[in-house]
Amino acid sequence: GAGVSQSPSNKVTEKGKDVELRCDPISGHTALYWYRQSLGQGLEFLIYFQGNSAPDKSGLPSDRFSAERTGGSVSTLTIQRTQQEDSAVYLCASSTTGGEYYGYTFGSGTRLTVV
Amino acid sequence: GQSLEQPSEVTAVEGAIVQINCTYQTSGFYGLSWYQQHDGGAPTFLSYNALDGLEETGRFSSFLSRSDSYGYLLLQELQMKDSASYFCAVEAGTALIFGKGTTLSVSS
Repeated sequence: GAGVSQSPSNKVTEKGKDVELRCDPISGHTALYWYRQSLGQGLEFLIYFQGNSAPDKSGLPSDRFSAERTGGSVSTLTIQRTQQEDSAVYLCASSTTGGEYYGYTFGSGTRLTVV
Repeated sequence: GQSLEQPSEVTAVEGAIVQINCTYQTSGFYGLSWYQQHDGGAPTFLSYNALDGLEETGRFSSFLSRSDSYGYLLLQELQMKDSASYFCAVEAGTALIFGKGTTLSVSS
């Protein structure tokens, strides 16, 4: 696609429920990243994919968080048994590897509110 | 550990020049990037420095000194639309590590 697409744009869920957040990166971008941004804060790294594999999961805050990427394209971030502290904007980004550097292209994010 | 420091807020008037500094401490380093984020929007890539010196892109310039673990973003001829948050980010391994951001407010 022309840009990075994330869905849903907003999600309100009850504490204890599971949620799935979706990211559709730019076609041909092999690298995909998930970040979390709390209100007025910087971007907290969660996980990095290269193709379908995740060589760096070091940012996942607990075992309630998991992510997968299939077909080298779409990625899903799953949060199980959501807690109020999970409320944040979840941002996905993609990038090319090799060649001239163009930075990361971010999606508009999913605003997650846990009530 | 890894850390980046940048001022939390900067204010300026239209037409002025502003410099946003960033110092970093990382276990590895490949380059320093800058991103702009308007309220409610997605961060957008502004510039990247892998080597020491100044990179210029229109009204925006970015500088890096690897020996000082320091860089800055210079915004010239400020416009109201430049009001946003600006993040420095270090490429130190597999993914970018971001600073907490500097909120720039431009007034007329």
